[in-house]
Amino acid sequence: QSVLTQPPSVSAAPGQKVTISCSGSSSNIGNNYVAWYQQLPGTAPKLLIYDTDKRPSGIPARFSGSKSGTSATLAITGLQTGDEADYYCGTWDTSLSVVWVFGGGTKLTVL
Amino acid sequence: QVQLVDSGGGLVKPGGSLRLSCVASGFIFSDYYMTWIRQAPGQGLDWLSYISSTGDTIHYSDSVRGRFSVSRDNAKNSLFLQMDSLRAEDTAVYYCVRDFGGSEAFWGQGTVVTVSS
Repeated sequence: QSVLTQPPSVSAAPGQKVTISCSGSSSNIGNNYVAWYQQLPGTAPKLLIYDTDKRPSGIPARFSGSKSGTSATLAITGLQTGDEADYYCGTWDTSLSVVWVFGGGTKLTVL
Repeated sequence: QVQLVDSGGGLVKPGGSLRLSCVASGFIFSDYYMTWIRQAPGQGLDWLSYISSTGDTIHYSDSVRGRFSVSRDNAKNSLFLQMDSLRAEDTAVYYCVRDFGGSEAFWGQGTVVTVSS
């Protein structure tokens, strides 16, 4: 059972927009920055978004992050078949001790 | 170029120990905090530990606190994870990560740990 809640799967057609939600609480998302990771099959995860809404160099503007209260969202526009992957959100949680927590991951299928 | 080379994984019996290593190159290792992450087969990501750039601040997940110990040797550009009292559920790919959650995040290639009798 993950501390952060993500939908197990989402799907959309090429060229469309998809959003992936990440729900938490005041001890994690509500008071900390959120990161998003993309994991293509058989590879190590790659950072897509850090500090809730910032993109590392090399990440296309098609990927964007936002947060409202205790929930965060990853949006991907102009979907491409190469975007088919698992996506994870994560943030610090300071409820009892300082730990990083992840969502359970969302499988994106590009139809 | 930036490299993180994870090593030390292998097959170990329940209750046994392993020491993972992560050797960094291509950047100033002592400038960065480091993190260990693992991923069990077919499962999601599992954060294990954090160590500050100087090694004076360390955090562990509840699942490994008391069994795993993280350390670093900045003179040798190396990060370590000492894993004791291993259990079947510790079977996973283990990754070291630079600046996890930050703008300069970089992952090692991972090393496989299998705990089985």
